[in-house]
Amino acid sequence: QKEVEQNSGPLSVPEGAIASLNCTYSDRGSQSFFWYRQYSGKSPELIMFIYSNGDKEDGRFTAQLNKASQYVSLLIRDSQPSDSATYLCAVSFTGGGNKLTFGTGTQLKVEL
Amino acid sequence: KAGVTQTPRYLIKTRGQQVTLSCSPISGHRSVSWYQQTPGQGLQFLFEYFSETQRNKGNFPGRFSGRQFSNSRSEMNVSTLELGDSALYLCASSIGTPGAGGYTFGSGTRLTVV
Repeated sequence: QKEVEQNSGPLSVPEGAIASLNCTYSDRGSQSFFWYRQYSGKSPELIMFIYSNGDKEDGRFTAQLNKASQYVSLLIRDSQPSDSATYLCAVSFTGGGNKLTFGTGTQLKVEL
Repeated sequence: KAGVTQTPRYLIKTRGQQVTLSCSPISGHRSVSWYQQTPGQGLQFLFEYFSETQRNKGNFPGRFSGRQFSNSRSEMNVSTLELGDSALYLCASSIGTPGAGGYTFGSGTRLTVV
């Protein structure tokens, strides 16, 4: 059973701080990693994807991938109340084709 | 460009009935995947269709089925509804190359079985 694990939270951070969201996965051969944001009552929306070890930055968001440790993280700099949502980690496992396996998500709360 | 369109947005059905949900992917996207989302289980993969063929299937009973048409629109059907089928059903559109670029989700169909 190929799995994606996330801490369910909630993770509370003050406005302006850095939020760090973490995800581990079970298949060392996995190639593609995605972060989705889901607001309550809405569908998930893609924030970032990363394929290679290291960091990938997009505005206030940075995805970090460490394949040796089977670990992917999302950093949100200068967190805003509008960032309050559930963040879903998704992995494309080896042999899984186009299927993405999702973690259960981490709820982030950015407090004023 | 137009996004992923799912219809209907809300459905209320009675146990034992069947239901059909529809999804129109982004123009040019040939892959449609279906997920069930519940508070307890999160997003669970149902199946993927690519060029009218089921390419991947999750661990759901045979009551859950789907199909894809030549214009890439997809439908999923749930027969003999059970209370536990109450969930948000999400359609995900993608170009179909494994791992490339991720999905774009539709707004979902919220199914309530009573």
